[in-house]
Amino acid sequence: DQQVKQNSPSLSVQEGRISILNCDYTNSMFDYFLWYKKYPAEGPTFLISISSIKDKNEDGRFTVFLNKSAKHLSLHIVPSQPGDSAVYFCAALSGNTPLVFGKGTRLSVIA
Amino acid sequence: DAGVIQSPRHEVTEMGQEVTLRCKPISGHDYLFWYRQTMMRGLELLIYFNNNVPIDDSGMPEDRFSAKMPNASFSTLKIQPSEPRDSAVYFCASNFLSSGELFFGEGSRLTVL
Repeated sequence: DQQVKQNSPSLSVQEGRISILNCDYTNSMFDYFLWYKKYPAEGPTFLISISSIKDKNEDGRFTVFLNKSAKHLSLHIVPSQPGDSAVYFCAALSGNTPLVFGKGTRLSVIA
Repeated sequence: DAGVIQSPRHEVTEMGQEVTLRCKPISGHDYLFWYRQTMMRGLELLIYFNNNVPIDDSGMPEDRFSAKMPNASFSTLKIQPSEPRDSAVYFCASNFLSSGELFFGEGSRLTVL
């Protein structure tokens, strides 16, 4: 009964190409979404977020898209770099509730 | 500024032993969260505190798990007795809000043999 789903456990992309990480959610009350990045032996760190009043937010090479009708969001990384290799967690919240995380997607960027 | 500090970074113990994980949140943060990361379930919330008071412990898997926050700068997560299925990475996080961006520690990797 995961409320936030990341159905791809892993993804491999060549350096310089686009990485697309997907996330689906089931709770229609979620109104704020975040992506976290996690390197081995480190804690997750905040990457980018989007409010439900928007459908796109961009920060440098990272763009998050939100499709509320489909309850789907995606993180695009262009161009991908080897340093982007990490586990990416999608997270969501509604109101004052704590973050609900997905299982994560391991991205490998191959040089 | 120091981030969230967790100890120990690694713990290997035998089944049945007591395990205590420690966390020092970022100064000024009123909210403290304990998460557990496993391959099967990803990052799951165990419990969170506001101003040292537990707000929601519905994520604590069993009575073997307990958490305390005796003051604003210290929290513990205790497992007694530990079992092999408790093996995971346990993260502490803090924030000045109950929602929004969280600041995580580096985690405590627990292995129960």
